[in-house]
Formats: sequence, structure tokens, C-alpha cells
Amino acid sequence: AQSVTQPDIHITVSEGASLELRCNYSYGATPYLFWYVQSPGQGLQLLLKYFSGDTLVQGIKGFEAEFKRSQSSFNLRKPSVHWSDAAEYFCAVGANQAGTALIFGKGTTLSVSS
Amino acid sequence: EPEVTQTPSHQVTQMGQEVILRCVPISNHLYFYWYRQILGQKVEFLVSFYNNEISEKSEIFDDQFSVERPDGSNFTLKIRSTKLEDSAMYFCASSQQGANEKLFFGSGTQLSVL
Repeated sequence: AQSVTQPDIHITVSEGASLELRCNYSYGATPYLFWYVQSPGQGLQLLLKYFSGDTLVQGIKGFEAEFKRSQSSFNLRKPSVHWSDAAEYFCAVGANQAGTALIFGKGTTLSVSS
Repeated sequence: EPEVTQTPSHQVTQMGQEVILRCVPISNHLYFYWYRQILGQKVEFLVSFYNNEISEKSEIFDDQFSVERPDGSNFTLKIRSTKLEDSAMYFCASSQQGANEKLFFGSGTQLSVL
């Protein structure tokens, strides 16, 4: 069965520092992979997604993620974090090729210190 | 950017009562979803809806749950007889082409069952 693991529950990063949020997935075929962000009081917003092609994908707000099949990982990165990036970040995998559902990880809460 | 609207933002109910959570998806979207997030746990898929019928549902979505698109604009989730463990944030989402494309999420309804 498909699953997503986000090993870090909470991460604190200084403003201006780089960020990497980890995501590992389990999926039998070529996965659809996603990163969503949830700011307080808001719904989840898509940051980026990967299905095929270039393994380094660019998203909104300066985020990028790299798909590594050998490590079953899809880590999210940002070179310089801003205070407004403080939020909860969810990694997700498409549950099936029909695209009827996503399987989410438990999320990583990002705090940004000044 | 277009938005998915959910009402109410908070709902408190007594155990055993029926609740209806309401969602207005984005107008030209064809796929509709309900997810929930119990405090401290992952976002869980409940059900997907396409072409006026359920296309997929999870084990969570038992006979106590039902969905409806009564008037071509609203998309509702009904819980017939609520249990304490139904307390969660319920998210509605919609998409033009399925979950493997971009999902647009509402800001959620926090359901508290007492």
C-alpha cells in the first residue's frame, strides 16, 4: 500500500537560513508526488508536484523538491527562509493512476526564528 | 485565485447527532473530495466524487457517512450519528482533472463532538 513518511514533526530554522524538509514514500509504480503547505486558518495550498521528467522541480514561493527514486525520497528545499514560510508542510503521493485520492504524510511544522 | 468555501468554520455537536458539513467547490471543477485531519495526525482521505457518484472511498467512510451534490454548486458531507472519534478538521477539495493535478482545498470545518 502507498504511504508517506515525514520524519521530522517540527523544525526551527533561522530566517535567511536554508531549509530541507524530508519526505519518504512507498509506492509500487512511478509515483505522483506533491508538497502542500498549510498556513494557520487556511486550507492546503499546492507548492509543487512531480510525475515525470526532470527530477528537480520548481514550485511557488521559491521552493524546490528533488525526486530520488533510489532513496524513495522527495525532499523539499528552500535556499533562504522567510518568516512568512512558517507553516505546516505536507508531502503526499497520488494513491492511484486514476487520480482519485492522495495519501498524505503527518506533516512537518516549520518555525522561523529571527 | 478561485477558492473553495466551507461552512461552518466550527461546528460543535452532541454525540449521536447528525451533522452536515457544506462546501462550495470551484465552479468549473469536476472532481470533489473530503479529507479529514484529527489533531496531531495525518490528513486522511475520506471520499472522492465525480460525475455525480462516489469514485473512491476509504475505510473511514463507512455507512455513517454520505456525500451529496444537491444543486450543482454545493457538495456536502453528512455524518448520520456522530461519535467522539469523528472530532477532526474536515477539508473539502476540488480539482478540474483529478487528484494528480492540482487540488484546491477549503480552509476546513473544525468538528467537535461532545
